[in-house]
Parts: sequence; structure tokens; C-alpha cells
Amino acid sequence: DVKVTQSSRYLVKRTGEKVFLECVQDMDHENMFWYRQDPGLGLRLIYFSYDVKMKEKGDIPEGYSVSREKKERFSLILESASTNQTSMYLCASSWGGLGSPLHFGNGTRLTVT
Amino acid sequence: TQLLEQSPQFLSIQEGENLTVYCNSSSVFSSLQWYRQEPGEGPVLLVTVVTGGEVKKLKRLTFQFGDARKDSSLHITAAQPGDTGLYLCAGGQGSNYQLIWGAGTKLIIKP
Repeated sequence: DVKVTQSSRYLVKRTGEKVFLECVQDMDHENMFWYRQDPGLGLRLIYFSYDVKMKEKGDIPEGYSVSREKKERFSLILESASTNQTSMYLCASSWGGLGSPLHFGNGTRLTVT
Repeated sequence: TQLLEQSPQFLSIQEGENLTVYCNSSSVFSSLQWYRQEPGEGPVLLVTVVTGGEVKKLKRLTFQFGDARKDSSLHITAAQPGDTGLYLCAGGQGSNYQLIWGAGTKLIIKP
């Protein structure tokens, strides 16, 4: 089974702090994704990457950046955390193009105070 | 903006009842995926449908993709408390890596 591991289940940060969310997958998947999930809004794509060092903006990239230096690791960075970034963050990976299923991690619940 | 509308947003029923969740759009999708998410966990894929009119069964769950590939439904027969969770549909198009997500249906099955 594919395993996608997110480094933290819960994080509490202060406004203005730089925040790193880490995600590692163990199935050599090409694609990796960062989503945020808020009640009633579903999953919204922040960034995705289809190869090492490649990244594409999703629907809501503002206030975020990403890094993919190795195929198995995809990091989400909040340069200066704000209270409206309080959310559940989900990392996912997939093996190929359209229609290939996403394998999700268990999420990181981030609270910015 | 492409949308996938899920209905109902929330459903609470007794164990043993049947239910249907809908996922509708004005856009055509080349594939439609259904996921279930339990509290504290990430979504887990249940099924992918790719052909218009396709019906797939997973034990007591029946998934259908509309003939025009714009809508899908999930029917659960004799619901059990273990079916409780958030059900999400996601549509794929063309060569776009991005999936279009519904907002989800929160399902509670009471014993």
C-alpha cells in the first residue's frame, strides 16, 4: 500500500511565523499535491508538482510556496502565517496523469493564533 | 469556474436505511472519483468511473456515472454505522492534473 506521511498531525503557530509542512511518499509517485480543507468548501488545491523541482500553482497559491528537491518529498511553506491560514492541510500523491487516484496523508491541522 | 455540486450536504439516517448521494455538474468529465474520509484521516479512494452510464458495485455501495458524464451518484443499501464519514466526489478532465472537487456530503448512520 502507498503510504503518504505528513510530519505533524497538529501545529499551533503565531501570526507572522514561517511554517514548514512536510510530506513524504514511499511509492515513487511522480505527482504530489498540497490541498487545504475547510468545512463546506471541499478540497482546494494550493500547489502541485509533477516532477522534481517542478511546481505549478493551484487555485489558492497566495501566501504559500513549495519545494520539491527529492521525488519522495514535497514541502509546503507559509512564509508569514496569518490567521486565515488556519485549516486542515492535506498532502497527496499519484502515479500518473489524469484519473489516477490520489493517495492522501492523514493531514496536518494548523492553527495560527 | 467549473463546479461539482454535491447533495445533500448533510445526511443523518438510521442503520438499515438506504440513501443516495448526488454529484452534479454542467461540465463533462473524463473520469469521476469517489472518496470517503473518516474523522482525523485523509480521504481514501472508493471507486473511479470513466465510461458514461457505467455502474460499479462495492459491496453495499453502487456508483453510477451519468450517460453524458456530467453527473454521478452513490447509493448505499442497508447503511451501517461504519459507513459514517465525509463522501467526496472529484472529476477529472483532459490533460489537466487538477481534479475538480465537490464540497462533500457528511453522512451519519445512527445505530
